[in-house]
Amino acid sequence: DARVTQTPRHKVTEMGQEVTMRCQPILGHNTVFWYRQTMMQGLELLAYFRNRAPLDDSGMPKDRFSAEMPDATLATLKIQPSEPRDSAVYFCASGFWRGATDTQYFGPGTRLTVL
Amino acid sequence: RKEVEQDPGPFNVPEGATVAFNCTYSNSASQSFFWYRQDCRKEPKLLMSVYSSGNEDGRFTAQLNRASQYISLLIRDSKLSDSATYLCVVGVNNAGNMLTFGGGTRLMVKP
Repeated sequence: DARVTQTPRHKVTEMGQEVTMRCQPILGHNTVFWYRQTMMQGLELLAYFRNRAPLDDSGMPKDRFSAEMPDATLATLKIQPSEPRDSAVYFCASGFWRGATDTQYFGPGTRLTVL
Repeated sequence: RKEVEQDPGPFNVPEGATVAFNCTYSNSASQSFFWYRQDCRKEPKLLMSVYSSGNEDGRFTAQLNRASQYISLLIRDSKLSDSATYLCVVGVNNAGNMLTFGGGTRLMVKP
């Protein structure tokens, strides 16, 4: 049963610290997404990769957030420096693009608390 | 105006009831439609795709009305385990595999 995995599952840190979240997409999927979910804003798209190339990161605060895919099995989302307003659940999702929009499969999320 | 709008609820229904959720989308170029389910403190999971002709999966029926740009989900014979948030999701093919999520409708099924 293929799944998206994310680490860490929980992270508590202090304001100003660097946070790195990791995601392993489902093997064979060629699209990867990072989302942030809060009670107030719901699910927001932060970044989108296809075949490891970043296609859309317009939802991401550029001054402190960065997203990369160093290889096909790893996607990272980094916040530096972190702020209390970054507290949220961060989901990674993957899917397979073959010319028509298809479903996405979500990882269990990283629950981030910035004090 | 949000691209995908849903009534946030909560919908409180007794076990065995039939409940329906609607969702409207603003992008007329949308071509893919889904319902996802999200349990408390868990990730969203695909419940079902929505096809133009409508489709059914057990107690769940999804309908699409392209002319009016709305999607519906009907749940028959509600179970306690159906309690969750239901997310309406829309995709546009020329946007790659990007999906737009509604804010979700919360359902609480009571004994």
